[in-house]
Amino acid sequence: DIMMTQSPATLSVSPGERATLSCRASQNVWSNLAWYQQRPGQAPRLLISDASTRATGVPARFSGSGSGTDFTLTISSLQSEDFAIYYCQHYNGWPRTFGQGTKVEIK
Amino acid sequence: QVQLVQSGADVEKPGASVRVSCKASGYTFTDHYIHWVRQAPGQGLEWMGRINSDSGVTNSAQQFQGRISMTRDTSISTAYMELSGLKFDDTAIYYCTRAPIRGGWFDPWGQGTLVTVSS
Repeated sequence: DIMMTQSPATLSVSPGERATLSCRASQNVWSNLAWYQQRPGQAPRLLISDASTRATGVPARFSGSGSGTDFTLTISSLQSEDFAIYYCQHYNGWPRTFGQGTKVEIK
Repeated sequence: QVQLVQSGADVEKPGASVRVSCKASGYTFTDHYIHWVRQAPGQGLEWMGRINSDSGVTNSAQQFQGRISMTRDTSISTAYMELSGLKFDDTAIYYCTRAPIRGGWFDPWGQGTLVTVSS
């Protein structure tokens, strides 16, 4: 199975600051990677597919980059509604696996 | 709009089975796969399996093989996931989610169904 490792586990950021989240795959997943946001008590929401394509309705402050084994989700200027947990997920083969999540909290 | 609506919360005893339903609307049901993902309390996301909504072919994560059954009824655009031999650590929120045939991202997600395994 492909293991997805996210870092850091928790990121403390002030509103308006930039947040950079990392996701590493244990083997090459090409660009077959998605990012999700999960707010407390809610279902996950797709942010990014194919490593860098924003989903419909996702604000432009969210951007994804990377390919192969190393990926980054950047939130350019954190808004109050962005404090949440973020997961990466690969879809290059089976089983699909998720990272353990990065919690973005208010500093 | 595209929507997945799941059945309500359930409490089951150890050893029992649970069936969760997922009704799709706003798109052609057979044009996408339905996947099942669960989340134990305070934990991350765990992929369980998927069903091809058109053919009914399924595949699942190894840890659930023999315990999970995924079916669908195309006439009512509804997918089902049944998990048998429930254990206490099957207590979780179970989500259904849609994936395109060419691509593997999940969008949207159902609202989740809390399954509690308790004696």
